[in-house]
Amino acid sequence: QLVLTQAPSASASLGASVKLTCTLSSGHSDYAVVWHQQQPEKGPRYLMKVNNDGSHNKGDGISDRFSGSSSGAERYLTISSLQSEDEADYYCQTWDIVSRVFGGGTKVTVL
Amino acid sequence: EVQLVESGGGLIQPGGSLRLSCAASGFTVSSNFMSWVRQAPGKGLEWVSVIYGIGTTYYADSVKGRFTISRDNSKNTLFLQMNSLRAEDTAVYYCATDSFVSGIDCWGQGTLVTVSS
Repeated sequence: QLVLTQAPSASASLGASVKLTCTLSSGHSDYAVVWHQQQPEKGPRYLMKVNNDGSHNKGDGISDRFSGSSSGAERYLTISSLQSEDEADYYCQTWDIVSRVFGGGTKVTVL
Repeated sequence: EVQLVESGGGLIQPGGSLRLSCAASGFTVSSNFMSWVRQAPGKGLEWVSVIYGIGTTYYADSVKGRFTISRDNSKNTLFLQMNSLRAEDTAVYYCATDSFVSGIDCWGQGTLVTVSS
C-alpha cells in the first residue's frame, strides 16, 4: 500500500534552515513526490516535485530558499534562511494510476 | 494564467446531495487530469477523486459509490456530485490540476461543505 510518512512538527529559528522528511512505504522507494505549502487560513500551494534521483522542479515563483533532495525512500524539503511567512503546514504527495496519497503534514514553527 | 474557482459548497443535512463546480481558465480541462482534494476542519489533506483526460475516473475508498467526478468540456468546468452525505464529509473541497509528470500542481481556493442537521 502506497503510504507517505511525515513528522507532525518541526521548528527552527528565524534565519536558520529546516529539513523536512517524507518517507515512502516499502516497495515504493522509486516514486517521486511533490511538496505543498499551506499557510494558516489559506489553501495549499504547490512548491516542487522531488524525483528519486534528487532532482527537483519548482513551481513558478517559488523562492530559491526552498530546495528538494532524495535518499533511498526519503524525500526532503529544505527551507533555508527561514522567514516568518514560512510558518505553515507542509504536505508531501505522491501518486499511482488509481490514487493520489498525501502525507499527514509537518507543521513548521519559526522560533 | 491557470485559475481554478470552486463553488457550490454550503450547509446540507446528512443523507443529502450537493454538486460542487470548479471553473477553469488558462487551460483546457478535457486535456488534463483533474483531482478533488478535501480537508476536514483541523485535519490534513485527503485526496477524493481524479479524472483523466480520456475520462477514466478513480475514487478514494471513503467516497466510492457516493461521489461522482465529471466535467463539462463546453464550459471548461469540473464537477463533484456528492450523494448520501455524512457528517465526516464536512470539509473544504479543493479542485486541482494533476498529471503523472508533476503530480498535483495547481490548486483552487476551495469551497466549504458542512454536513449537519
